[in-house]
Amino acid sequence: EVQLVESGGGLIQPGRSLRLSCTVSGITFGDYAMTWVRQAPGKGLEWVSFIRSEAYGGTKEYAASVRGRFTISRDDSKSIAYLQMNSLRTEDTAMYYCARMRYFWGPSQYYFDSWGQGTLVTVSS
Amino acid sequence: EVVLTQSPGTLSLSPGERATLSCKASHSVSSSYLAWYQQKPGQAPRLLIYGISSRATGIPDRFSASGSGTDFTLTISRLEPEDFAVYYCQQYGSFGGGTKVEIK
Repeated sequence: EVQLVESGGGLIQPGRSLRLSCTVSGITFGDYAMTWVRQAPGKGLEWVSFIRSEAYGGTKEYAASVRGRFTISRDDSKSIAYLQMNSLRTEDTAMYYCARMRYFWGPSQYYFDSWGQGTLVTVSS
Repeated sequence: EVVLTQSPGTLSLSPGERATLSCKASHSVSSSYLAWYQQKPGQAPRLLIYGISSRATGIPDRFSASGSGTDFTLTISRLEPEDFAVYYCQQYGSFGGGTKVEIK
């Protein structure tokens, strides 16, 4: 059974940096793309970023709202996905979920089949 | 970028009733690909449907979905108490705003 556990959230001041981790077990981590999705308090889901497996070139994509500030990475030897968040803003306050990404007909058609419980990031002075 | 619009925002129904949720895409990017998720308060989202109409592992058959082009539908044939939740559609890097199914 796949398990995903996020960590690294907390209270952080605007402009500072934070790194989130997503530790995965129960699967061959290197075979899968991973994604981060966030949810501001009382709001809907917002996709943040994904990173494909090395078999698909390890390509990365970002939502426009975080591009240039956030960096996704992965360590297949440790089964961990990371989200480095720089220049944090109050509007980045959210629960951050990591999820396993699956493909339907091909790598451009993806969905998220297993989710962690999330880690809360609060950006406030 | 595709924009997904879900309606209604809130659906008030009684257990045993049928729920029909809509998700409309701003333009047709792929006619064969959409996913649906369920989220209960304080919990992570759970995948219900992928590829427009394929149920995820463990999802009961009272959940069904259909659609193509820009119009997609999630149907819950007979609402069980555990089905009252928020439902999101997703295509590529876009999520709909969600439909809350609440007890009437």
